[in-house]
Amino acid sequence: EAGVAQSPRYKIIEKRQSVAFWCNPISGHATLYWYQQILGQGPKLLIQFQNNGVVDDSQLPKDRFSAERLKGVDSTLKIQPAKLEDSAVYLCASSFSGADEQYFGPGTRLTVT
Amino acid sequence: GNSVTQMEGPVTLSEEAFLTINCTYTATGYPSLFWYVQYPGEGLQLLLKATKADDKGSNKGFEATYRKETTSFHLEKGSVQVSDSAVYFCALTETSGSRLTFGEGTQLTVNP
Repeated sequence: EAGVAQSPRYKIIEKRQSVAFWCNPISGHATLYWYQQILGQGPKLLIQFQNNGVVDDSQLPKDRFSAERLKGVDSTLKIQPAKLEDSAVYLCASSFSGADEQYFGPGTRLTVT
Repeated sequence: GNSVTQMEGPVTLSEEAFLTINCTYTATGYPSLFWYVQYPGEGLQLLLKATKADDKGSNKGFEATYRKETTSFHLEKGSVQVSDSAVYFCALTETSGSRLTFGEGTQLTVNP
């Protein structure tokens, strides 16, 4: 069974630029999560989707971050414009349903200079 | 709100030493508790979990017991190996399907 796929694995941008990350969850998984992991800290949930609907985006900085999950499969997380403090690893996870184990992708390491 | 506190790291041990990584939590209701592991260059993997008080989760020689009276979920292993070197995260969900709240992580290095 293929795991959660993410791309790119690494991205370096300058502040005020835009960036987008892509996630392909495990086939059949209805729930998809985006987490932000700042160096030296544990991951923090940014947004949770159930199919193509948002379940929880209470910790998403909506002035600069956006996410979508068209057709309830792949998802894209966008930052526009980026700030220095957005430097982090962005993790995507999926689960069969919201009550099940979450499976994590390898993450995208973003560096904002 | 919910929070998870892990012992300060990093932790360095010799092979075959006994490991304890402390984890305490604050939550309303009855959370489920987890330990995740992140090996170098890899994604987070679920190591073990416990869903109610006095449950013991175990996997790969690691164990943790859900202690409601002390709000703790300490990770233990009797004899660590070099291959156990990784970052370990304690986490909770307050209700099934809700967000995972993670601790800060503990870097474990095991020397031969």
